Amino acid sequence: AQSVTQLDSQVPVFEEAPVELRCNYSSSVSVYLFWYVQYPNQGLQLLLKYLSGSTLVKGINGFEAEFNKSQTSFHLRKPSVHISDTAEYFCAVSDNFGNEKLTFGTGTRLTIIP
Amino acid sequence: ETGVTQTPRHLVMGMTNKKSLKCEQHLGHNAMYWYKQSAKKPLELMFVYSLEERVENNSVPSRFSPECPNSSHLFLHLHTLQPEDSALYLCASSQASGRIDNEQFFGPGTRLTVL
Repeated sequence: AQSVTQLDSQVPVFEEAPVELRCNYSSSVSVYLFWYVQYPNQGLQLLLKYLSGSTLVKGINGFEAEFNKSQTSFHLRKPSVHISDTAEYFCAVSDNFGNEKLTFGTGTRLTIIP
Repeated sequence: ETGVTQTPRHLVMGMTNKKSLKCEQHLGHNAMYWYKQSAKKPLELMFVYSLEERVENNSVPSRFSPECPNSSHLFLHLHTLQPEDSALYLCASSQASGRIDNEQFFGPGTRLTVL
């Protein structure tokens, strides 16, 4: 079984500052990793995913994440945030058996301060 | 309408009521999902349907009853719910089930409050 830990439930950041949202996972098998974003009053939207290959993954809206197997982490970063990035961000993991069962973290609420 | 739509967006019901949540996808997908999103808890997968057949039921209480009449529609029938069932219920769809690289597209959710 897998689990996901998002240590920060809330992250306030000034506009145009960089941000890192942390995600750690545990699993006894190889995994696939995902970041989803949920804007207010909307469903979840896929930001980026790591399936294999390069450990640095680029996603939409200028976000990127780096898979670190030794530290079992998949932190999300953006060099300069905008007001429109205010949302809840969810990290998710799946085993690599090729099914769609995602295990989600509890989410990190990113608030951008003007 | 585009993407995944859900109705109603908000629902308040008593413990003895019977109600249904509706989800419709306009993406031509073959798989549909129900998730439960509770405050301070991880998102929980409840049911998965592939080509209108239920392929996953994650130990969900029988007071939740899903129905998938065709690949575009998914319902969640509710009866004799408990206050702890209050949550945001999200519907999602994907090209096909059984493949993790199939992106799931989510609807905006139904905010359910059980009194």
